[in-house]
Amino acid sequence: KAGVTQTPRYLIKTRGQQVTLSCSPISGHRSVSWYQQTPGQGLQFLFEYFSETQRNKGNFPGRFSGRQFSNSRSEMNVSTLELGDSALYLCASSLYSGGRGDTQYFGPGTRLTVL
Amino acid sequence: TQLLEQSPQFLSIQEGENLTVYCNSSSVFSSLQWYRQEPGEGPVLLVTVVTGGEVKKLKRLTFQFGDARKDSSLHITAAQPGDTGLYLCAGEKTSYDKVIFGPGTSLSVIP
Repeated sequence: KAGVTQTPRYLIKTRGQQVTLSCSPISGHRSVSWYQQTPGQGLQFLFEYFSETQRNKGNFPGRFSGRQFSNSRSEMNVSTLELGDSALYLCASSLYSGGRGDTQYFGPGTRLTVL
Repeated sequence: TQLLEQSPQFLSIQEGENLTVYCNSSSVFSSLQWYRQEPGEGPVLLVTVVTGGEVKKLKRLTFQFGDARKDSSLHITAAQPGDTGLYLCAGEKTSYDKVIFGPGTSLSVIP
């Protein structure tokens, strides 16, 4: 079974631009979560989607948005990029939404650099 | 303010040594997970602990969940270079809360 895939793997943008990242979950998984990882802040939760609905959201500005399609694939968008948005963006999929012990499987991430 | 603290932040040891890393919080978690992340990859789940006082073993790795479900430890026996990576703990306060990650312990095992 294929793992979680994220595209693109690397991205360079300039301040003020917008970017869209894509995540394909493991087949059969209905929950997709997005995280931002930086050396200073570590791994921070952005949002979770389950059956095309945003179920949970972290403390990020409205410039960060996402959506999930009927096939469970998800995209996240960052508008008006800032230098501080440079980070590794990780996507994780799981079978269900919530529930103790529900395993999250992470993709390799998209490395975003904002110049 | 980090809800989950991890110590030490960095650890460099020789192959064959034992080590323990810690994950602490003032909050109670319904479950706690440990992940290992290698450079250029996403975190990979090692174990989930859900019961206070629970001890789980995974080959040379031993995980313990504190009785009060506020802290956890990971002990590695006879560390090997393949154990090198970033060890992250992550907790869920309730079944429907977002997962909170600690800042991680970066482990380097020198051959």
